[in-house]
Amino acid sequence: QVQLQESGPGLVKPSETLSLTCAVSGYSITTAFYWAWIRQSPGRGLEWIGSVDHTGITFYTSSLKSRVTISIDTSRNHFSLSLRSVTAEDTAMYYCARRIRGDGDHWYFDVWGRGTLITVSS
Amino acid sequence: DIQMTQSPSSLSAYVGDRVTITCRASHDVGNHVAWFQQKPGKAPTTLIYGASRLEGGVPSRFSGSGSGTDFSLTITSLQPEDFATYYCQQHIKYPLDFGGGTRVEIK
Repeated sequence: QVQLQESGPGLVKPSETLSLTCAVSGYSITTAFYWAWIRQSPGRGLEWIGSVDHTGITFYTSSLKSRVTISIDTSRNHFSLSLRSVTAEDTAMYYCARRIRGDGDHWYFDVWGRGTLITVSS
Repeated sequence: DIQMTQSPSSLSAYVGDRVTITCRASHDVGNHVAWFQQKPGKAPTTLIYGASRLEGGVPSRFSGSGSGTDFSLTITSLQPEDFATYYCQQHIKYPLDFGGGTRVEIK
């Protein structure tokens, strides 16, 4: 059974870089699926940040594209998020998720991590 | 970008009621819509993808329908464990936008 587990610092200072990792267990990250980061805050709801495929090809939401990098580490079976120059608006619960190909050629999020709360504050 | 607009934003219902939540996409997304359930303090879980395809393990009282721009999630005979917030999402085009959510509360 595939499980995803986010890990991160909890608290980040404004202007610094947020780094998160999503450890994947019970499944090889090299399978031809996509791996995503999604965040949720009271004011912004659920927001897809970006995705990476098993080859390292990435897709980002336009509003964060200049500050975000998602990468994949097949040797450690995990993928990561780096968000630069954070502000209070980046305070949110951050989730990682798997996007698989279902029946009818539908690519959708089927498994989510439990999430990690990130607070941006000095 | 494709905006996903859910309605209502919240509703109150009794156990046993039939509940329908709607989601409208700003552009045609075919049948590429998923629905998620989220309980307080928990991550979302997947209920439906492809507008009407039930994810494994999801009770059959949940159903989805729609195509193009108009979609709905129906819960027949609402159960106590169904009180939660529900989100739609289009899964055809980046960015993979979500709706604003519908909170289902106990009446």
